[in-house]
Amino acid sequence: EAQVTQNPRYLITVTGKKLTVTCSQNMNHEYMSWYRQDPGLGLRQIYYSMNVEVTDKGDVPEGYKVSRKEKRNFPLILESPSPNQTSLYFCASRRPGLAGAEQFFGPGTRLTVL
Amino acid sequence: QQQVKQSPQSLIVQKGGISIINCAYENTAFDYFPWYQQFPGKGPALLIAIRPDVSEKKEGRFTISFNKSAKQFSLHIMDSQPGDSATYFCAARPSNYQLIWGAGTKLIIKP
Repeated sequence: EAQVTQNPRYLITVTGKKLTVTCSQNMNHEYMSWYRQDPGLGLRQIYYSMNVEVTDKGDVPEGYKVSRKEKRNFPLILESPSPNQTSLYFCASRRPGLAGAEQFFGPGTRLTVL
Repeated sequence: QQQVKQSPQSLIVQKGGISIINCAYENTAFDYFPWYQQFPGKGPALLIAIRPDVSEKKEGRFTISFNKSAKQFSLHIMDSQPGDSATYFCAARPSNYQLIWGAGTKLIIKP
């Protein structure tokens, strides 16, 4: 089954404790991205990657890091989480350019930073 | 900054009624306008999309109406059902292919 998977689905942590949210897709998509979803603000892009070893900032990159060492994986790293990073996070993938019109989203990771 | 303004933020419709969600954009270079549907506990999924060379696209009970001169597009859900209760996002794609998202509309269909 074609899908985007994320782990963990739920995470409660404390301020300053480094964490990683994993994302993996099995559709051989070059393009992957991370979003956060907050009430009233919709989906805001954190980082995206056009291909392996190519990443770029989205609209809200502060406090986040990403890496793209393999085509299928795109982990999101919070080096020192803060309460304002409490949110619902989504990973997504698509084919590049005009052909990649549809984005496929993972099931989401609900993060709470105390 | 480019924006897509979506309204209303929330909407309650009786079963069988028509649900209408509106979006407005500023950039005339957008070339693709999708709508995504998100159920609780799930990621958004593409529902229907339109390109600016047509004024309307219909898929089952879902229709996108597109007004290029007014820079507006809307989603109409005919004969709304409780199973349509979800959050709906409009979006627009500029030339760099990074979607610009609306803020979302939470739709509740009352039985």
